[in-house]
Amino acid sequence: QQQVKQSPQSLIVQKGGISIINCAYENTAFDYFPWYQQFPGKGPALLIAIRPDVSEKKEGRFTISFNKSAKQFSLHIMDSQPGDSATYFCAASWEGFQKLVFGTGTRLLVSP
Amino acid sequence: SQTIHQWPATLVQPVGSPLSLECTVEGTSNPNLYWYRQAAGRGLQLLFYSVGIGQISSEVPQNLSASRPQDRQFILSSKKLLLSDSGFYLCAWRGPGNTIYFGEGSWLTVV
Repeated sequence: QQQVKQSPQSLIVQKGGISIINCAYENTAFDYFPWYQQFPGKGPALLIAIRPDVSEKKEGRFTISFNKSAKQFSLHIMDSQPGDSATYFCAASWEGFQKLVFGTGTRLLVSP
Repeated sequence: SQTIHQWPATLVQPVGSPLSLECTVEGTSNPNLYWYRQAAGRGLQLLFYSVGIGQISSEVPQNLSASRPQDRQFILSSKKLLLSDSGFYLCAWRGPGNTIYFGEGSWLTVV
């Protein structure tokens, strides 16, 4: 119930294409859904986050889509660039819960 | 602004030797603090978290221990390292709205 299932494990996208990473959860208490971006040898950094009162949030080329009824959320990277090549983690939590539950990560490679 | 520092950045230690990784957070008080481990090419495994001085919660039985001697200091230790302790160790703190902020990480290789 505390798990967040992330797919795919790895993804190769051509430059200019759309990268889509999906996550699913079971615990309906979750009310905070962030995405983290991690470059090799660095700590993960918050990329974008959403709360369930909205179905979509967009920041530049990055968009989170949220489907509360399906208990799924996804990250869309528009016009993917080689600099976007990194590992992406989804996560979930709720107010009062001391931790973030992370997905297993998706390694994205954007080919030039 | 808040910053998080952890050190050393890289460490090569023999099997059976002790370990001490340190983490400090600046610009905030009484934050939740976390230690994660990441094996090469793998996900984030929560090892310990702390909600206050002297309060440590262990997530996974380990050869490791954690301590929080001061409000903004979090230490990860081991008395005797195993080969399986090798990995990328990340300290983190929780900011407003449940956002977790990570440090730059410490690479540990046990040989």
